[in-house]
Amino acid sequence: GQQVMQIPQYQHVQEGEDFTTYCNSSTTLSNIQWYKQRPGGHPVFLIQLVKSGEVKKQKRLTFQFGEAKKNSSLHITATQTTDVGTYFCAGPEGAGKSTFGDGTTLTVKP
Amino acid sequence: DTAVSQTPKYLVTQMGNDKSIKCEQNLGHNTMYWYKQDSKKFLKIMFSYNNKELIINETVPNRFSPKSPDKAHLNLHINSLELGDSAVYFCASTPGNRANTEAFFGQGTRLTVV
Repeated sequence: GQQVMQIPQYQHVQEGEDFTTYCNSSTTLSNIQWYKQRPGGHPVFLIQLVKSGEVKKQKRLTFQFGEAKKNSSLHITATQTTDVGTYFCAGPEGAGKSTFGDGTTLTVKP
Repeated sequence: DTAVSQTPKYLVTQMGNDKSIKCEQNLGHNTMYWYKQDSKKFLKIMFSYNNKELIINETVPNRFSPKSPDKAHLNLHINSLELGDSAVYFCASTPGNRANTEAFFGQGTRLTVV
């Protein structure tokens, strides 16, 4: 079955540094989603990318979908303590099912 | 006005007991899910129901039995609880059953089996 690999598993940064998490699929994806889960919270939808090479921005967050639609990235510029949490990518896998990556847990040192 | 609500939020129980977790969504969505998140934060789908019909049933022990009385509710009953069942269980819903549409998650139920 499809696998969605996400790296790194953990990332520790100093406040103000940039952060990137990468998501790679073994198969071509029709779309990819990103979610954020704050510590002790639940996953919250951030964005969906559909087109090959698509780039979307949300304030300091930049999301990219690869040309081959097999990889995606989430980049945060100048991290803040409010960015802490686990970021998941999710790709479709047949009949109404989404496969989540293993997540990247970001900690930010003030 | 919580969109997807689960109860209870915390559940501590002994091995061998039977317990249920309830989920309700007021979004008018047709599809509901149960996910299990382990201590490493890996999020794995367990079940999915579309309009009360089971459409996804992952490799989950048959001690886990979902039940959807109507499309706004999806409950999870677990028999003979084991230590390895300790995890956070999330209910989620989507408007339809197309793959990878925006999912709305409940607050989670932290199950601890002792």
